[in-house]
Amino acid sequence: DGGITQSPKYLFRKEGQNVTLSCEQNLNHDAMYWYRQDPGQGLRLIYYSQIVNDFQKGDIAEGYSVSREKKESFPLTVTSAQKNPTAFYLCASTPNVGLSYNEQFFGPGTRLTVL
Amino acid sequence: AQSVTQLDSHVSVSEGTPVLLRCNYSSSYSPSLFWYVQHPNKGLQLLLKYTSAATLVKGINGFEAEFKKSETSFHLTKPSAHMSDAAEYFCVVSEGNFNKFYFGSGTKLNVKP
Repeated sequence: DGGITQSPKYLFRKEGQNVTLSCEQNLNHDAMYWYRQDPGQGLRLIYYSQIVNDFQKGDIAEGYSVSREKKESFPLTVTSAQKNPTAFYLCASTPNVGLSYNEQFFGPGTRLTVL
Repeated sequence: AQSVTQLDSHVSVSEGTPVLLRCNYSSSYSPSLFWYVQHPNKGLQLLLKYTSAATLVKGINGFEAEFKKSETSFHLTKPSAHMSDAAEYFCVVSEGNFNKFYFGSGTKLNVKP
């Protein structure tokens, strides 16, 4: 089955710890994205990548880092510098860079809770 | 700059009655517009998309939306609500060649028996 997988589904972190959220896609999509979702605020873009070994900051990149070493993988690290990391994190991908009618395909999400 | 406004944060309907979820957008380009649905603690699923072809777009599960350029609107409708339609719905605008997407703040649909 083709799709986007995110792991783990639930993640608990102690304050001061870095954690990495996994996102893998087998759709051969070029672009990948990370969003943060908080109640009543919709989705906010953290980072996105249009090609391997390249990525751009989104609207709320502070306290987060990413890498794109492989086309199919786009892990997100939540660092201790992120002051309020408790949220639902969604990974997405789109097929082709530069085509405005591309829709995004979403993973099932990871819920991160800071204890 | 692109922006999306979902005019209602919550909508409540009775099962079997029509659904209307409102979305207005601003765009510097000819926009691509999307509606997604999200059930609790799940990812987003595409309902339908507008890509400059027919202005009336049909999607999955009986939903449809009409693109009205003069009103900069892309409202989502369904003739008869089902209990399984209870979820959160997001209107999304795509920005041209940069593969960036702008999300509305979401509308939670409640369906009463």
